[in-house]
Amino acid sequence: GENVEQHPSTLSVQEGDSAVIKCTYSDSASNYFPWYKQELGKRPQLIIDIRSNVGEKKDQRIAVTLNKTAKHFSLHITETQPEDSAVYFCAASSSSYKLIFGSGTRLLVRP
Amino acid sequence: DVKVTQSSRYLVKRTGEKVFLECVQDMDHENMFWYRQDPGLGLRLIYFSYDVKMKEKGDIPEGYSVSREKKERFSLILESASTNQTSMYLCASRTPPENTEAFFGQGTRLTVV
Repeated sequence: GENVEQHPSTLSVQEGDSAVIKCTYSDSASNYFPWYKQELGKRPQLIIDIRSNVGEKKDQRIAVTLNKTAKHFSLHITETQPEDSAVYFCAASSSSYKLIFGSGTRLLVRP
Repeated sequence: DVKVTQSSRYLVKRTGEKVFLECVQDMDHENMFWYRQDPGLGLRLIYFSYDVKMKEKGDIPEGYSVSREKKERFSLILESASTNQTSMYLCASRTPPENTEAFFGQGTRLTVV
């Protein structure tokens, strides 16, 4: 069945540095790739998404890239701040309505 | 404002009990999902429903069933609760086409003793 793998499981960076989280998916029919941020004790919330007809999307300090051939997509956070500390989830979705998530990355931004 | 509401924030049940987790959304969304969240395992899909009375198994349906009699409500049922079902349960909803944001409930932390 569909599978989404996410790496790394934990990531610690210095404030101001960049952070990169990578995901791979197995279903070639996947066409929508959202990223969610979950702060401690809160529900996951969408921070950025990308569709299969686009290779890159940027929103201020956050960017996502998609390589359909390799079935890879990545989240890039530049100029990290302590409030970026959270768990980040990638996900993939196709026309089957399923929304499959990765295992999550715990990002810690050290002041 | 978008709202997905789960009936309980915390729940403690005994082994063997039948447990109902309720989720209600007020956005007229067709698709609804139940996930469980465990440390290191991410969000694993239990069941989803793409329309009223329609349901499909996710990746870990064993020990669970669901009910969707009305569009706004999606219930997760643990037929006979076991300790390995102790977890955080998250409900989500979204509207077709499939390339849209899913909105999550606040989660129910279920402990089975």
